[in-house]
Amino acid sequence: DAKTTQPPSMDCAEGRAANLPCNHSTISGNEYVYWYRQIHSQGPQYIIHGLKNNETNEMASLIITEDRKSSTLILPHATLRDTAVYYCIVSGTMNYGGSQGNLIFGKGTKLSVKP
Amino acid sequence: IAGITQAPTSQILAAGRRMTLRCTQDMRHNAMYWYRQDLGLGLRLIHYSNTAGTTGKGEVPDGYSVSRANTDDFPLTLASAVPSQTSVYFCASSARQGVGEQFFGPGTRLTVL
Repeated sequence: DAKTTQPPSMDCAEGRAANLPCNHSTISGNEYVYWYRQIHSQGPQYIIHGLKNNETNEMASLIITEDRKSSTLILPHATLRDTAVYYCIVSGTMNYGGSQGNLIFGKGTKLSVKP
Repeated sequence: IAGITQAPTSQILAAGRRMTLRCTQDMRHNAMYWYRQDLGLGLRLIHYSNTAGTTGKGEVPDGYSVSRANTDDFPLTLASAVPSQTSVYFCASSARQGVGEQFFGPGTRLTVL
């Protein structure tokens, strides 16, 4: 089962910041928080990941709370092309030869960016 | 262009037939994965491979087999397809299993009648 809880859907106005929350209260010390998105009918696309520090790249920012039990993905200036399902995933580092570290997808948050 | 390719794009298959979905990556990634996605559900891992020559079972492996003869290719075989295997199948790869970004292919839409 997915270790994360996300709202099923959110709306955002074009040009505004989209803030997508994720709860992962059972996260353990060696587990990362990953964010992917899936635009209709396409394969998932990696956005960003982090362990405990906040992270930023050209696509988004990831804010992880100090206790690491929740995080927020921020799309600073949402566009219509950001309409997608956003997945928050908790995944541990590899136990080589084992199954730890495989991504387990939940149902995600369907973000609708509206003009 | 570097990335992952999958073939076929879509397929309609009679129940009981054998089918192999192809996946090839040119990024020299060690790890590869097969997921299925059903309407209203997130992606579920079928099988994975840490490196050439090794494979492992994911969340929903029954009815599927994989092989990893080399780094680039990771075919998924349905030995005797059943209607419940109707789904969209995504292949993915990463430099190492469980670390960093996974790159996904465009998917194969399979319908089993």
